[in-house]
Amino acid sequence: AQKVTQAQTEISVVEKEDVTLDCVYETRDTTYYLFWYKQPPSGELVFLIRRNSFDEQNEISGRYSWNFQKSTSSFNFTITASQVVDSAVYFCALSEWSGANSKLTFGKGITLSVRP
Amino acid sequence: DAGITQSPRYKITETGRQVTLMCHQTWSHSYMFWYRQDLGHGLRLIYYSAAADITDKGEVPDGYVVSRSKTENFPLTLESATRSQTSVYFCASMWLAGPTDTQYFGPGTRLTVL
Repeated sequence: AQKVTQAQTEISVVEKEDVTLDCVYETRDTTYYLFWYKQPPSGELVFLIRRNSFDEQNEISGRYSWNFQKSTSSFNFTITASQVVDSAVYFCALSEWSGANSKLTFGKGITLSVRP
Repeated sequence: DAGITQSPRYKITETGRQVTLMCHQTWSHSYMFWYRQDLGHGLRLIYYSAAADITDKGEVPDGYVVSRSKTENFPLTLESATRSQTSVYFCASMWLAGPTDTQYFGPGTRLTVL
């Protein structure tokens, strides 16, 4: 069965600090997709990134970067120079698009608080 | 307005009643999804649809029914609501067309079953 573990439940940093959110996954499939989502205090869900299992290139988007390592089954998310607006719950998720029983499994989420 | 909308945004109902949550997207995205979010469980996939008239179960489909007669609409029905279905429900849509594809979520519907 597929599983996503976000071992950190709450992280608190001071503005401008770098912070890394960890995500470890388990799957038996060779083809799968990994996601990160952001849920700010207002409650909406914001899609951040989707990565397929054949693409291990690291991704950078502004202050956000993602490190995908199949060898350790990890897909970690780093925010550089954090800002108060980064305060949110961040979810990592895994999907196996393999037919009738495709599932999207989310981790429990990490609550990030960025203090001014 | 372009985007993905959900209605109602808040709903209170009683055990045993039928409830339908609406989801509408304006992009003609192929894929649509329904999730529920509960404390301690995170987000769980209820149903998804790859195209009009094609739907499939997710992780927690029991007690729910979906349909998709038109690409832009994906209603979720609770045939006989139970207290355990009290949750926040999110609808989403996605192209699933390549490495730059994006999944968009609706604002959510907060459902309380008394």
